[in-house]
Amino acid sequence: EAGVTQFPSHSVIEKGQTVTLRCDPISGHDNLYWYRRVMGKEIKFLLHFVKESKQDESGMPNNRFLAERTGGTYSTLKVQPAELEDSGVYFCASSHYPGQGEEKLFFGSGTQLSVL
Amino acid sequence: QKEVEQDPGPLSVPEGAIVSLNCTYSNSAFQYFMWYRQYSRKGPELLMYTYSSGNKEDGRFTAQVDKSSKYISLFIRDSQPSDSATYLCAMSPILNDYKLSFGAGTTVTVRA
Repeated sequence: EAGVTQFPSHSVIEKGQTVTLRCDPISGHDNLYWYRRVMGKEIKFLLHFVKESKQDESGMPNNRFLAERTGGTYSTLKVQPAELEDSGVYFCASSHYPGQGEEKLFFGSGTQLSVL
Repeated sequence: QKEVEQDPGPLSVPEGAIVSLNCTYSNSAFQYFMWYRQYSRKGPELLMYTYSSGNKEDGRFTAQVDKSSKYISLFIRDSQPSDSATYLCAMSPILNDYKLSFGAGTTVTVRA
């Protein structure tokens, strides 16, 4: 079974530019989560999709961040315009909806974003 | 005050030693407690989870939860160099709710 795939693995951009991160969850996983870890801090929840619907986006830092999940499959997280404090590792994770399979969260390897 | 406190270490032990990791938390609503292991340049991987207070054992790993003290622990017995990783505690008030609150992670090195 393929795991959660994220790309790019690394992205270096300048302040003010736009970056789009992509996540392909495990096939059949309705739940998709985005998390972020900024340097020296703990991993923080950003948002949660159930299929194509945003279930909870309370962790999104501000309106420069836009997440989408087209057709309930892959998801993108766009940062526009990027600021220095957006640097960090962005993790995507997926799981089955409760009752539909092994109830465990699987993480991707993350995208290391550096804003210069 | 952080919701979940975890000493970042680093922690270095010889092979075969017992590794002891812990987290404290402030939110009394937390009911589900997880330990994740993260290797370098990889995502976190679930090691164990426990519900409410008590102990849970899985091979060389033992997780303990003391809700009265808001304190959780992970013990690794007979540690191996392959156990070298960052260990993160995470918790949630609701089963299968993965809006998790994480600790900062403890970096562990097991010396051969």
